[in-house]
Amino acid sequence: GQSLEQPSEVTAVEGAIVQINCTYQTSGFYGLSWYQQHDGGAPTFLSYNALDGLEETGRFSSFLSRSDSYGYLLLQELQMKDSASYFCAVRDHKDSNYQLIWGAGTKLIIKP
Amino acid sequence: GAGVSQSPSNKVTEKGKDVELRCDPISGHTALYWYRQSLGQGLEFLIYFQGNSAPDKSGLPSDRFSAERTGGSVSTLTIQRTQQEDSAVYLCASSTRAAGQGDTQYFGPGTRLTVL
Repeated sequence: GQSLEQPSEVTAVEGAIVQINCTYQTSGFYGLSWYQQHDGGAPTFLSYNALDGLEETGRFSSFLSRSDSYGYLLLQELQMKDSASYFCAVRDHKDSNYQLIWGAGTKLIIKP
Repeated sequence: GAGVSQSPSNKVTEKGKDVELRCDPISGHTALYWYRQSLGQGLEFLIYFQGNSAPDKSGLPSDRFSAERTGGSVSTLTIQRTQQEDSAVYLCASSTRAAGQGDTQYFGPGTRLTVL
């Protein structure tokens, strides 16, 4: 079967750094995406890794290791507004179409 | 430009009634997805439309659920004979398959369905 594993909840302190891990087991792999969802809101795109290595976008970075079927999202200088759920998603190929396979999400709790 | 829109934003219905949820994707996006999300849970894939291809209905939980996409644009998700376990937020997303964009999905605000 296909699955993505990520911690259900992570707690961190304002101003600190936090890493949210994602391991995947899928039939195919064409990239790893991260999405953020605030309570009551819709998921919004954060980052995408197709190749191994680190992608940086401001305070957020995302890393991928295809040989380890592993990636992570790194959030630096945490702010209270970063409190949200974070989803990893693998881009896979099925019946001539690309699709995203989603993890269950990690709830990030930030304490002052 | 305009994002993905969904209507209604909230829908309260009685058990056994039919409901229709509407999604208006971003203009030019060829792919359209429907997801369901229960409170505090992840995204549950329901159905996927890509251009003129036959939709991928593999995520529909029962034959009470159906969806169509007219003219490659607006989509309607229909739930017949609603049950209390159908209560959830129904999210629609659209994407373009332009190279290098990693199939980024743009989500609408969702429809919160409550079945009494």
